[in-house]
Amino acid sequence: GQQVMQIPQYQHVQEGEDFTTYCNSSTTLSNIQWYKQRPGGHPVFLIQLVKSGEVKKQKRLTFQFGEAKKNSSLHITATQTTDVGTYFCAGPEAGGTSYGKLTFGQGTILTVHP
Amino acid sequence: DTAVSQTPKYLVTQMGNDKSIKCEQNLGHDTMYWYKQDSKKFLKIMFSYNNKELIINETVPNRFSPKSPDKAHLNLHINSLELGDSAVYFCASSQGSGTGYEQYFGPGTRLTVT
Repeated sequence: GQQVMQIPQYQHVQEGEDFTTYCNSSTTLSNIQWYKQRPGGHPVFLIQLVKSGEVKKQKRLTFQFGEAKKNSSLHITATQTTDVGTYFCAGPEAGGTSYGKLTFGQGTILTVHP
Repeated sequence: DTAVSQTPKYLVTQMGNDKSIKCEQNLGHDTMYWYKQDSKKFLKIMFSYNNKELIINETVPNRFSPKSPDKAHLNLHINSLELGDSAVYFCASSQGSGTGYEQYFGPGTRLTVT
């Protein structure tokens, strides 16, 4: 079945440093979604990328979708303590009837030291 | 104005007991989901309903039985609880069941089986 891998599993940074998490799928994705889960909270949708090679920005966050639609990345510039949390990528497998089934990566836990 | 709500927030029970978790969404969405998040934060889909019809049924022990009395509610009943059932259970909803819809998560129910 489809597998979605994320690296790194953990990332500790000093406030102001940049952060990147990478997501790789074993199969082609129809789209990729990113979610953020604060400690003790629930996953919150950040963004969806659909097109091959797509790049989207949200303030200090930059999201990319690979040309082959099998990988994606999230880059945060100049991290802040409010960026602390677990970042998940998730994607439905391209083709077939996945009925909105998202396969989540295992997440990257970001810690920001002030 | 809670979009997706779950009750209870915490559930502590003994092995062998039967328990239920309730979920309600006021977003007017057609599709609802149950996810299990383990201690390593791995998020895995269990079930999905679209307009009260079961559309996703992952490899979950049949001790878990979802029920959707209407499209705004999705409950999860668990029989004969086991230690391995300890986890955080998230309910989520989306506007539709296709692959391009963002999912809105509830606050989670932390289940502890002793």
